Amino acid sequence: GEDVEQSLFLSVREGDSSVINCTYTDSSSTYLYWYKQEPGAGLQLLTYIFSNMDMKQDQRLTVLLNKKDKHLSLRIADTQTGDSAIYFCAESREGGADGLTFGKGTHLIIQP
Amino acid sequence: DAGITQSPRHKVTETGTPVTLRCHQTENHRYMYWYRQDPGHGLRLIHYSYGVKDTDKGEVSDGYSVSRSKTEDFLLTLESATSSQTSVYFCATKDTGELFFGEGSRLTVL
Repeated sequence: GEDVEQSLFLSVREGDSSVINCTYTDSSSTYLYWYKQEPGAGLQLLTYIFSNMDMKQDQRLTVLLNKKDKHLSLRIADTQTGDSAIYFCAESREGGADGLTFGKGTHLIIQP
Repeated sequence: DAGITQSPRHKVTETGTPVTLRCHQTENHRYMYWYRQDPGHGLRLIHYSYGVKDTDKGEVSDGYSVSRSKTEDFLLTLESATSSQTSVYFCATKDTGELFFGEGSRLTVL
């Protein structure tokens, strides 16, 4: 079956790096996604990585994928107060009409 | 932004009443989805549609029905609302890759 696991909370100091981890079980996953949800809003795509890649960098965001261990991480460099949100890991299968499978989300808390 | 509008954005209703939530998209995306979001459960798929009049059940479909008579509209109906259906409901659409989400509809069933 499909399952995506994330820790529920992460607390970091402003200016430090945040690393949010995710594990998944479906070996047929083709794309893995990171979504961000701010309070009272919908989910917005932050970044994604294709399953044949092991790293993707986009400004302050770095995604690392270890396909062998089915482990995905999102690193946010120089964490700011505006990064405070819930971060969801999600996976999809090629041609999968039934959408994405989401983790429960990680609350990123920024300490001053 | 995929032009997804959910209505109503907030609703309070009583147990046993019917409720319909509407999702409208302007991007002509083929796939549409209804998720519910609850603390400790993340997002769970209720129903989805892969074309006009083509729908299928998701993980938590009991107590919900859907209809899609036009590409742009996907309706979620609670025939007889229960307190366990108090939640935030999100509509999403997809063309070929990522999901685009609406802003959510907060439903409270008293």
